[in-house]
Amino acid sequence: AQKVTQAQTEISVVEKEDVTLDCVYETRDTTYYLFWYKQPPSGELVFLIRRNSFDEQNEISGRYSWNFQKSTSSFNFTITASQVVDSAVYFCALKVSLNYGGSQGNLIFGKGTKLSVKP
Amino acid sequence: ETGVTQSPTHLIKTRGQQVTLRCSSQSGHNTVSWYQQALGQGPQFIFQYYREEENGRGNFPPRFSGLQFPNYSSELNVNALELDDSALYLCASSRLAGGEQYFGPGTRLTVT
Repeated sequence: AQKVTQAQTEISVVEKEDVTLDCVYETRDTTYYLFWYKQPPSGELVFLIRRNSFDEQNEISGRYSWNFQKSTSSFNFTITASQVVDSAVYFCALKVSLNYGGSQGNLIFGKGTKLSVKP
Repeated sequence: ETGVTQSPTHLIKTRGQQVTLRCSSQSGHNTVSWYQQALGQGPQFIFQYYREEENGRGNFPPRFSGLQFPNYSSELNVNALELDDSALYLCASSRLAGGEQYFGPGTRLTVT
């Protein structure tokens, strides 16, 4: 079975603090993709990053960084020097079966972590 | 490039009624996926349409049905509405069935 667990329901930090959002996934597939999405109060899911199961290199994009560790089935997301605009719900998601044109390719989401950044 | 759009933004229906939600995919995308997001939960996959055919379905009853049109826009229909159908319904389009999904702003459905 495929599953994504985000154990942190809510996190509150003060602006400029660093914060890490945890994500643990379960799958028996050897080929899969992991995602992070941001959902502001408006409701639209904003794509942040995609990693495939064969690429464990960590990635940094501005204040955002991601740590992918297959050994612990984790794909954690760190925001450095958080800002009020980072306040949102963040979702980690898993996708398996990447046979283009013939499969579901659906995303399996965790329950999300609500991040509040206070000024 | 126009992104994914959904209509209506909000909708209030009564239990037992039927509802149709609409989604226009992003330019160049031929696949549309629908998700249901209950309050405080992550989105759950309902089904996907690829080139006008259903291409996978999540754990939702048959009263959830859909269509995809030749221009790749899509509809989600829900019959015999139940209170638990109250949720944010998200549509996502992608260039291919397994490709990157881009989400619309969602339709918030309230069933009373």
